[in-house]
Amino acid sequence: DTGVSQDPRHKITKRGQNVTFRCDPISEHNRLYWYRQTLGQGPEFLTYFQNEAQLEKSRLLSDRFSAERPKGSFSTLEIQRTEQGDSAMYLCASSLGEGAVGYTFGSGTRLTVV
Amino acid sequence: GQSLEQPSEVTAVEGAIVQINCTYQTSGFYGLSWYQQHDGGAPTFLSYNALDGLEETGRFSSFLSRSDSYGYLLLQELQMKDSASYFCAVSYQGGKLIFGQGTELSVKP
Repeated sequence: DTGVSQDPRHKITKRGQNVTFRCDPISEHNRLYWYRQTLGQGPEFLTYFQNEAQLEKSRLLSDRFSAERPKGSFSTLEIQRTEQGDSAMYLCASSLGEGAVGYTFGSGTRLTVV
Repeated sequence: GQSLEQPSEVTAVEGAIVQINCTYQTSGFYGLSWYQQHDGGAPTFLSYNALDGLEETGRFSSFLSRSDSYGYLLLQELQMKDSASYFCAVSYQGGKLIFGQGTELSVKP
C-alpha cells in the first residue's frame, strides 16, 4: 500500500465548470477526510466519512460542494459551478479510528479556477 | 470559536535547536498534533500529545499544557531538510483536525 492517493494532482478549469476529484485512502482505514488549503494557511476541514456514511460537513462546504464514498473505499469531491475563490489545494486524509497517530494525508489536488 | 496561534516564520542554523509555539483558544479537544509540510507536499504527521507533558520521537519532541492552553514542537540537531512549514492541530470527536496557520521554518547553513 503506497498511502493516500489523489487524482488529479493539478486541475485548471474555467469559472462555472464542474470538477471532480478522487481520493483513494489506505485500504484498511475506515475514516476519510477532505480538507482545503490556500496559500500560507493551514488545512481547513471540509467533511469526513466513516465507512460510507458522511458524518460531518463544515459550513465551508456550500451547496455547490458534494462528497461521496459509495462503497466505503474511495471518495469523490465534486464542485459545481466553480468560482475563482474555489482555487486551493484539496487534501484528502485517512485514518483507522479517531486516533491522530497514523492520520495520513495525500499530496492533494491543486485546483486553479480561471 | 476555535483558533490556534503560531509564529509565521522562524529561522535557525543547522545543528541548532528550535522551538515552535502554539497557543490555542478552544476546548473539548482530544489532543494536539504537529505536522510538517514541504512545498507542494502532503502534511506529514510528526507528534501527538493526548495528555499534558512531553512526548519525544527522535529529534522531535512535543509538549502540551492544557492549563496554559499552550504547546510546542522542539526540533533538535536541525538539518537543512527540516526547512518546511509546521502546523499544530487539535483533534476532535470523529478525528476532525483544526489547524493553526503554520510556521515556516528556514534552516540556514
